[in-house]
Amino acid sequence: DGGITQSPKYLFRKEGQNVTLSCEQNLNHDAMYWYRQDPGQGLRLIYYSQIVNDFQKGDIAEGYSVSREKKESFPLTVTSAQKNPTAFYLCASSIRAEAYNEQFFGPGTRLTVL
Amino acid sequence: GQNIDQPTEMTATEGAIVQINCTYQTSGFNGLFWYQQHAGEAPTFLSYNVLDGLEEKGRFSSFLSRSKGYSYLLLKELQMKDSASYLCAVSDSNYQLIWGAGTKLIIKP
Repeated sequence: DGGITQSPKYLFRKEGQNVTLSCEQNLNHDAMYWYRQDPGQGLRLIYYSQIVNDFQKGDIAEGYSVSREKKESFPLTVTSAQKNPTAFYLCASSIRAEAYNEQFFGPGTRLTVL
Repeated sequence: GQNIDQPTEMTATEGAIVQINCTYQTSGFNGLFWYQQHAGEAPTFLSYNVLDGLEEKGRFSSFLSRSKGYSYLLLKELQMKDSASYLCAVSDSNYQLIWGAGTKLIIKP
């Protein structure tokens, strides 16, 4: 079955610690995205990648970092510099980055920083 | 600035019809998406409109008017499983998706 997997589903970390969220897809999609979802707000783009070894900042990239060493994988690191990291994080992919390509989402990781 | 507006919450009765509106102001327009999201789960694709008019897909239809910056999602023959949030998103001039905050739809028996 093709799809996007994110792990873990729930993650707890102490303030000041870096944490890496996993995102893997076997859809052979070129483009991948990381979003953050907070209650009462729309999804906000953190980073996106249109091709392997290339990625761009989204609207709220500060305090986050990514890598795209393989087509299938796009991990997100939440660093200690992120002021308010507690949120629901969603990874998505699309065939390419053009407009008409729908994005497919993973199940999400709910990060709580204590 | 870029802005997508949707009602925060709507309530409807099982078997009825409901229309969820979305208005947008974005820098460029390359299409409008509707997604469904059940609580705590991933959004799933419902529809895509890039030309004016109505697109029908089973019980769900989506309408777009580019001149008015307006879209709606029409859900017919409502079922309890339709209780979810419905997200409107516009692809802007850079092909970035700008998302509304979502409309929480509550279905009552």
